[in-house]
Amino acid sequence: KAGVTQTPRYLIKTRGQQVTLSCSPISGHRSVSWYQQTPGQGLQFLFEYFSETQRNKGNFPGRFSGRQFSNSRSEMNVSTLELGDSALYLCASGRDSGPGEKLFFGSGTQLSVL
Amino acid sequence: AQRVTQPEKLLSVFKGAPVELKCNYSYSGSPELFWYVQYSRQRLQLLLRHISRESIKGFTADLNKGETSFHLKKPFAQEEDSAMYYCALKVMGNTPLVFGKGTRLSVIA
Repeated sequence: KAGVTQTPRYLIKTRGQQVTLSCSPISGHRSVSWYQQTPGQGLQFLFEYFSETQRNKGNFPGRFSGRQFSNSRSEMNVSTLELGDSALYLCASGRDSGPGEKLFFGSGTQLSVL
Repeated sequence: AQRVTQPEKLLSVFKGAPVELKCNYSYSGSPELFWYVQYSRQRLQLLLRHISRESIKGFTADLNKGETSFHLKKPFAQEEDSAMYYCALKVMGNTPLVFGKGTRLSVIA
């Protein structure tokens, strides 16, 4: 089985621009979660999608948005980029939120905002 | 809101020494606790979960509801254990997995 695939691997943008990141979950997984990883803050939860519906949302400004398609692929968008948005963005997929369910992570998209 | 605290950013131990990575959580109910690990240049991956009561790569973790802790332990550290370790918490229902800020374990030869 192919793992969680995130594209692109690296992105360099300037302040004020917008960016779209893509995530393809493991086949059969319907849940996709997004996290922002930084050295100082660790992993911070952005949002979770399940069957095309946003099921949970973290404490991030409205500039961060996402969606999930019928094939479970997900995208996240960040508008009006700020320097502080520079981070590794991780996507994780899972079958469903059953007890003890594990998440499978992608390699991430490294976003640098200049 | 649920919170996970990993008090040590960096933990250095000598090879063969015991290891304990601390994790405390804030939640009054019955949580699900996990340890995830990220080795250099690899993806973040599940190490173990309390519900399975398993030992993986010699690591164990016991959920202590009284102390709200889920410390990760290994009796004899190996160089290949050097990695970033994250404790994570999930509460009942369709809630997201919440991570601590992580502890970097460095095993010195």
